Amino acid sequence: QKEVEQNSGPLSVPEGAIASLNCTYSDRGSQSFFWYRQYSGKSPELIMFIYSNGDKEDGRFTAQLNKASQYVSLLIRDSQPSDSATYLCAVVSSGSARQLTFGSGTQLTVLP
Amino acid sequence: SQTIHQWPATLVQPVGSPLSLECTVEGTSNPNLYWYRQAAGRGLQLLFYSVGIGQISSEVPQNLSASRPQDRQFILSSKKLLLSDSGFYLCAWSRPGTASNQPQHFGDGTRLSIL
Repeated sequence: QKEVEQNSGPLSVPEGAIASLNCTYSDRGSQSFFWYRQYSGKSPELIMFIYSNGDKEDGRFTAQLNKASQYVSLLIRDSQPSDSATYLCAVVSSGSARQLTFGSGTQLTVLP
Repeated sequence: SQTIHQWPATLVQPVGSPLSLECTVEGTSNPNLYWYRQAAGRGLQLLFYSVGIGQISSEVPQNLSASRPQDRQFILSSKKLLLSDSGFYLCAWSRPGTASNQPQHFGDGTRLSIL
């Protein structure tokens, strides 16, 4: 069974710090990787996607992908209290191009 | 731009009652459509997906069913709800085709409570 694993947390960081969220996946053939943010009681919102090894930056967010080690991470620089949410990692596995497999999410709290 | 509408936002139903949740997408043609369920504190479980009118794939055997009567309409149904059907139901869409790099975009969800 193809799996996506995340540390459930909760992860607490002080305001202004870097938050680091990690995700590992079991299917070595996975091709596309997405990070979603989900505020309590709300639906997931896409914040980043990455397809190639290396780093991808978008504002305060940086996604990092290492296919050899089968992990993807999300860094949030200058964390703000408004970043407090659950972050879901999602992976498109080989053989199922239309389907995302989600991790259970990491709960992040940014302390003012 | 594309938008996705999902209703109702909340629903309280007795055990054994029927269910119908509706989702519509605007601003795109022939989208891939998805129904997910999220139990409290858990990840998203894919229930159904559809690549076109009348084409439904089921991921998990259950007492739920899905239909796609029109290109941009996706309906989740049940004839008799169980207590275990409680959860947060999310509809999502992605661009048509089989490319693996298409993200999914979610509606606001329906919070279903079974009494």
